[in-house]
Amino acid sequence: AQKVTQAQTEISVVEKEDVTLDCVYETRDTTYYLFWYKQPPSGELVFLIRRNSFDEQNEISGRYSWNFQKSTSSFNFTITASQVVDSAVYFCALSEARAAGNKLTFGGGTRVLVKP
Amino acid sequence: GAVVSQHPSRVICKSGTSVKIECRSLDFQATTMFWYRQFPKKSLMLMATSNEGSKATYEQGVEKDKFLINHASLTLSTLTVTSAHPEDSSFYICSARGSARVTDTQYFGPGTRLTVL
Repeated sequence: AQKVTQAQTEISVVEKEDVTLDCVYETRDTTYYLFWYKQPPSGELVFLIRRNSFDEQNEISGRYSWNFQKSTSSFNFTITASQVVDSAVYFCALSEARAAGNKLTFGGGTRVLVKP
Repeated sequence: GAVVSQHPSRVICKSGTSVKIECRSLDFQATTMFWYRQFPKKSLMLMATSNEGSKATYEQGVEKDKFLINHASLTLSTLTVTSAHPEDSSFYICSARGSARVTDTQYFGPGTRLTVL
């Protein structure tokens, strides 16, 4: 069975600090997909990134970067120079290729609070 | 990114009544839609998966007779909470995927907050 663990329940930083969110996953499948979503106070989940299990290249998008390491089953997310607007709950999720309906399994989420 | 809408955004109803929540994909055809439930400060829990034109597949522990799902078109899925009770109060979120391809991403609606008095 697939499982996603986000050990950090809440992180508080001061604006302009970097913050790294950890995500560790478990799966028996060799083909799978990892996602990060942002849920601001409004409630809507915003898609941030998708990564497939065969692509271990790290990715950078503006102030966001992701570090995928299959050897440790981790897909960590870093926000550089954090801003107040980054305050939200961030979810890491996993989808197995063979799972019926390609369901997403979510981690428990990490609440990020960026103080001015 | 793809746009998914939900209506209503908030609903308050009396215990025993039924409530219908709509989920629409606005700029793409959604072959598959998912319904989630989220309790305060908790993660999303998948309730069911619906494919256009076929019966929904419910997750273990979700009452199919209580949470009726209809996916009649490629752009619309509805969730009806029948005979709602206070314990059904929650944040309900739908998501839609553009095709049956494994790699396609789920895009989420803004959610519906249901309060049952």
